[in-house]
Amino acid sequence: GAVVSQHPSWVICKSGTSVKIECRSLDFQATTMFWYRQFPKQSLMLMATSNEGSKATYEQGVEKDKFLINHASLTLSTLTVTSAHPEDSSFYICSARIAGAWREQYFGPGTRLTVT
Amino acid sequence: AQKITQTQPGMFVQEKEAVTLDCTYDTSDPSYGLFWYKQPSSGEMIFLIYQGSYDQQNATEGRYSLNFQKARKSANLVISASQLGDSAMYFCAMIITDSWGKLQFGAGTQVVVTP
Repeated sequence: GAVVSQHPSWVICKSGTSVKIECRSLDFQATTMFWYRQFPKQSLMLMATSNEGSKATYEQGVEKDKFLINHASLTLSTLTVTSAHPEDSSFYICSARIAGAWREQYFGPGTRLTVT
Repeated sequence: AQKITQTQPGMFVQEKEAVTLDCTYDTSDPSYGLFWYKQPSSGEMIFLIYQGSYDQQNATEGRYSLNFQKARKSANLVISASQLGDSAMYFCAMIITDSWGKLQFGAGTQVVVTP
């Protein structure tokens, strides 16, 4: 099956700093990637939809200036958490979709971010 | 607006027994898809099964089957012969019928399999 990787798998950063999370589709081209956030014991909440070569579409309530998304190629999307605060500590998961097939959605293993 | 609901926050099941996880959804679009994912404590999302709204038969994947009742808008997951490794969080998700295919998730059901 298709593989999506995320890097890093976990990161600890200090309040006020920025951290970048990468999401890569390893063996397929993903025209669309999604970024989700999951707090402990809760469900996945979609943050934004990322399409290659265009600006990301953010869900209501997600600060686009705080969560910068770049989808520079068909295999790479990045999420940068700018000026991180402790409340940004969460599990961030990306998924990648193969164009034309709804069921062809593949998740990365997630990145656990802790802001101290 | 589309909505997906899982009403069971958690359940215990004995090893080797079958368990049914409930999922109901609401959409006015005739074309949609429903997923079930398993999330163990490691956090990875494991795809279990998919049902398209136009699929004539209920989906099955090994020990997993989906009881799709379109008129009732329910898509319950049945896990047969539970194993200890089935202990995890289970999410039902619906693909939102816009051009990008983003998923909307239910709240999840925590399953604990006991010996």
